[in-house]
Amino acid sequence: EPEVTQTPSHQVTQMGQEVILRCVPISNHLYFYWYRQILGQKVEFLVSFYNNEISEKSEIFDDQFSVERPDGSNFTLKIRSTKLEDSAMYFCASVTGGGIETQYFGPGTRLLVL
Amino acid sequence: EDQVTQSPEALRLQEGESSSLNCSYTVSGLRGLFWYRQDPGKGPEFLFTLYSAGEEKEKERLKATLTKKESFLHITAPKPEDSATYLCAVQSYNTDKLIFGTGTRLQVFP
Repeated sequence: EPEVTQTPSHQVTQMGQEVILRCVPISNHLYFYWYRQILGQKVEFLVSFYNNEISEKSEIFDDQFSVERPDGSNFTLKIRSTKLEDSAMYFCASVTGGGIETQYFGPGTRLLVL
Repeated sequence: EDQVTQSPEALRLQEGESSSLNCSYTVSGLRGLFWYRQDPGKGPEFLFTLYSAGEEKEKERLKATLTKKESFLHITAPKPEDSATYLCAVQSYNTDKLIFGTGTRLQVFP
């Protein structure tokens, strides 16, 4: 069964460093999402992406964040200058088309900022 | 503002002891309500989508129901492998984003 994959599974970085989290969505999916989950808290929406453009973003997704689909398979989340409060699990999700369709989530990247 | 509240926060059951998890929601216009299962350190795993009040869906020992204000996830004769956090999320019209609740952490003991 096709699934969303994410790399790395864990990343430790120093405050102020740039990190890139990578996702490979399910192959025929067209809409892509990033969510995050701070330890012990709820899953929060960051950004949605369709047709090489951001379609929606949350207040969390400020100028320090960016997303890109550099080729036909990868979808990346870049944090330019990490802060301690960016420590969280980051999940990528994808759907075939927009609307009611179910979002399928990847296993996540655990980011720890020291 | 769209909101999801789940209760209880945690639930301990003996194997075979049936129970229900609650998800109350307020949303400007419900497009869909989703149930996911999340194991520790893993991503949410899709269980059900419900679209309109009165709808029910079943999968093995799980059954999800929906009213205009809440959804229930009924677990019948649970087994230890059902232990996980169960997440509820809503999606409203004019957006694709999911709004999640904090989840119910279920532990099933043999």
